[in-house]
Amino acid sequence: DAGVTQSPTHLIKTRGQHVTLRCSPISGHKSVSWYQQVLGQGPQFIFQYYEKEERGRGNFPDRFSARQFPNYSSELNVNALLLGDSALYLCASSQRTTGSYSPLHFGNGTRLTVT
Amino acid sequence: KNQVEQSPQSLIILEGKNCTLQCNYTVSPFSNLRWYKQDTGRGPVSLTIMTFSENTKSNGRYTATLDADTKQSSLHITASQLSDSASYICVVSVSNNAGNMLTFGGGTRLMVKP
Repeated sequence: DAGVTQSPTHLIKTRGQHVTLRCSPISGHKSVSWYQQVLGQGPQFIFQYYEKEERGRGNFPDRFSARQFPNYSSELNVNALLLGDSALYLCASSQRTTGSYSPLHFGNGTRLTVT
Repeated sequence: KNQVEQSPQSLIILEGKNCTLQCNYTVSPFSNLRWYKQDTGRGPVSLTIMTFSENTKSNGRYTATLDADTKQSSLHITASQLSDSASYICVVSVSNNAGNMLTFGGGTRLMVKP
């Protein structure tokens, strides 16, 4: 079975632009969550979706938004990009929400560089 | 202040030696605690998951412990191998009326030398 896939793998944008990152979960997984990982630091939680509903939101500005589609894939959108948005964006899927015992399976991320 | 603190920040050990990584957390209400291994440029890979009622969980040469009273966890690596060189991240899951969220520690960067 394929693991969690993210696209694109790398992306370069300029300040003020908008970006959309995509994630396909493992087949059968209904929960998708998004994380931002700045170089040298641990990931920070952005959003969690389960059965197409938002189930958790981290401390990120409204420029960050996400959605989950009927096939359980997900998009993360970031508007008005700032230099500080440069990071590795990780997507993870699980059978149930992170409050449960379900292990998280991460993709290898999208490396976003904002210039 | 990060609600999940890991120590040490980095560690160098010789191949074959054991090591223990520490994690202290203050987040609540606690649902579960997870340890992940992250190789450079890759997504984290799950090692263990523990609820508050579990004191220890093993996965091969990795053994995690949890003391929910003192809010401390440790990850013990036995007979280290070169492939153990990675960042090890402690993650605490919180569930409340606002929803579910994970709080990550900053990680311990482990280097195993021959």
